Amino acid sequence: ETGVTQSPTHLIKTRGQQVTLRCSSQSGHNTVSWYQQALGQGPQFIFQYYREEENGRGNFPPRFSGLQFPNYSSELNVNALELDDSALYLCASSRPNTGELFFGEGSRLTVL
Amino acid sequence: AQKVTQAQTEISVVEKEDVTLDCVYETRDTTYYLFWYKQPPSGELVFLIRRNSFDEQNEISGRYSWNFQKSTSSFNFTITASQVVDSAVYFCALIAGTASKLTFGTGTRLQVTL
Repeated sequence: ETGVTQSPTHLIKTRGQQVTLRCSSQSGHNTVSWYQQALGQGPQFIFQYYREEENGRGNFPPRFSGLQFPNYSSELNVNALELDDSALYLCASSRPNTGELFFGEGSRLTVL
Repeated sequence: AQKVTQAQTEISVVEKEDVTLDCVYETRDTTYYLFWYKQPPSGELVFLIRRNSFDEQNEISGRYSWNFQKSTSSFNFTITASQVVDSAVYFCALIAGTASKLTFGTGTRLQVTL
């Protein structure tokens, strides 16, 4: 167990809706990253937050946005959901520049 | 840009066989970290190993061993005497330079049967 918890574990939405996914990082970790893993693929980097500021972003459109809170927990928000957004969304926490990321079990999103 | 290639999509072995999972990486940075993660059906990515670019020593941890060769840009992973519990998808990944993201390969699904 990594100490990184994500919620919800599963959810179903319809096209055009909005979704918020949550992540509680491991104690002492001030950096949170989000990854999208489509079926049969490796995880793809969405963005990273460090001390409540976005600190790197992958090739995802602006409708993917995030927040990090003072307690270092984080949210991923996706607006105007599309069918291709169906995936496992993984959160990882770390201390900066350690190269050690600890992943949660993910939130599996299905968009119908 | 960084890239990780795992050419083996799926491997099936019988329990107690040895199996090697291949990983080839690309980066222009001289400082980087390489990783292997295990992903069981539950979905969580389980950290197995991290290697930095300045440490080419091979490593053994129980039935697991890793062979890092900078000359061929490879970081292969061997499971000795495989067990059914080793069945999972295995990902090789890379963080390079000052990048904040892990670049993953597409994964290798390992199926170990009795």
